[in-house]
Amino acid sequence: EIVLTQSPDFLSVTPKEKATITCRASEPVGSSLHWYQQKPDHSPKLLIKYTSQSISGVPSRFNGGGTGTEFTLIISGLEVEDAATYYCHQSVSVPQTFGQGTKVEIK
Amino acid sequence: QVQLQESGPGLVKPSQTLSLTCNVSGDSINSGNYYWSWIRQRPGKGLEWIGYIHDTGSTIYTPSLRSRVTMSVDLSKNQFSLRLTSVTAADTAVYYCARYFYLFDFWGQGTLVTVSS
Repeated sequence: EIVLTQSPDFLSVTPKEKATITCRASEPVGSSLHWYQQKPDHSPKLLIKYTSQSISGVPSRFNGGGTGTEFTLIISGLEVEDAATYYCHQSVSVPQTFGQGTKVEIK
Repeated sequence: QVQLQESGPGLVKPSQTLSLTCNVSGDSINSGNYYWSWIRQRPGKGLEWIGYIHDTGSTIYTPSLRSRVTMSVDLSKNQFSLRLTSVTAADTAVYYCARYFYLFDFWGQGTLVTVSS
């Protein structure tokens, strides 16, 4: 099973600042790494696919990057509505696994 | 727009079987293009993939739950289902159904299932 470890677990950021979340995989996952945003009492929403590909309707301030075993989600110019928990997910092998989540708080 | 909606009992007694159904609209399970998935989230915890099923009936389950999980599809109703046997308090969670094609692009709103006597 591929273990995904996110850092940090918690992030407190001022509006308009940048937030960077890292996801490290225990084995290479190629580009099959995706990011989801989950707001309280809502289901997760696909944010970035295949490491860096954008999703229709997702603001351009969300960007992904990385390769192999280390990936990043960068939120530039944070807005109040970005308060949520963010998860990475690998789909290169079964079982599908997710990172433990990073909770982003807006100060 | 693809929509998924979970339904089923919100309370299950320990040792009994949890049964949930996911109704799909806006897409046909029979299209053959996707796998139809179940994911759960224990209270205050992260996301745990349970497994998925194709319209052919082919299934893949996560190893830790494989002995207790069964998934099925009802093509006539455009639904798929989850059965989890011998539940304990550790199975208390919000259960989501989702569409999968190398990523989970559409999710249901989730349904809370509590295991308690």
